[in-house]
Amino acid sequence: AQKVTQAQTEISVVEKEDVTLDCVYETRDTTYYLFWYKQPPSGELVFLIRRNSFDEQNEISGRYSWNFQKSTSSFNFTITASQVVDSAVYFCALSENSGGYQKVTFGTGTKLQVIP
Amino acid sequence: DTEVTQTPKHLVMGMTNKKSLKCEQHMGHRAMYWYKQKAKKPPELMFVYSYEKLSINESVPSRFSPECPNSSLLNLHLHALQPEDSALYLCASSQGPGTGKGTQYFGPGTRLTVL
Repeated sequence: AQKVTQAQTEISVVEKEDVTLDCVYETRDTTYYLFWYKQPPSGELVFLIRRNSFDEQNEISGRYSWNFQKSTSSFNFTITASQVVDSAVYFCALSENSGGYQKVTFGTGTKLQVIP
Repeated sequence: DTEVTQTPKHLVMGMTNKKSLKCEQHMGHRAMYWYKQKAKKPPELMFVYSYEKLSINESVPSRFSPECPNSSLLNLHLHALQPEDSALYLCASSQGPGTGKGTQYFGPGTRLTVL
């Protein structure tokens, strides 16, 4: 069975600090997809990034960057120069094929608080 | 445009009421999902609709009844709910049901309180 572990339950940083959110996954599939979602207090899950299992290239999008390492089954997310608007719960997720359908397993989430 | 809309935003209902949650997307997606999210927990999958047909029911009690009237709309009919059903209900859609078509885009959710 697939599993996603986000060991950090809550993180607090002071504005402008860098912060890394950890994600470790388990799967038996060779083809799978990894995601990060942001959930602000309003509740909406906002899609941030998707990575497939064959693409280990790291990605940078503005202040956000992602480090995907298959060797350690990790897909970590770094926010550079954090801002108060980054305060939210961040979910790492893993998608596998289950009988022809996409089954997404979410981690338990990391609550990030950015203090002004 | 990656917008999924949900109405209502908040809903309070008694245990004997019947109500419905609505979800709409205009991205041409052919897979739609209902999730339930309790406070401080990740979303849990309830139902998957693929090409307007119910494909997955994650052993959800019959007091929750999904409906997909067309490819853009997804409803969740609620009847005789229990207080423990109070949660954030999230709708999502993806291009198709398979992993290759796979990014799920979520709506803002409906916060349901059952008294």
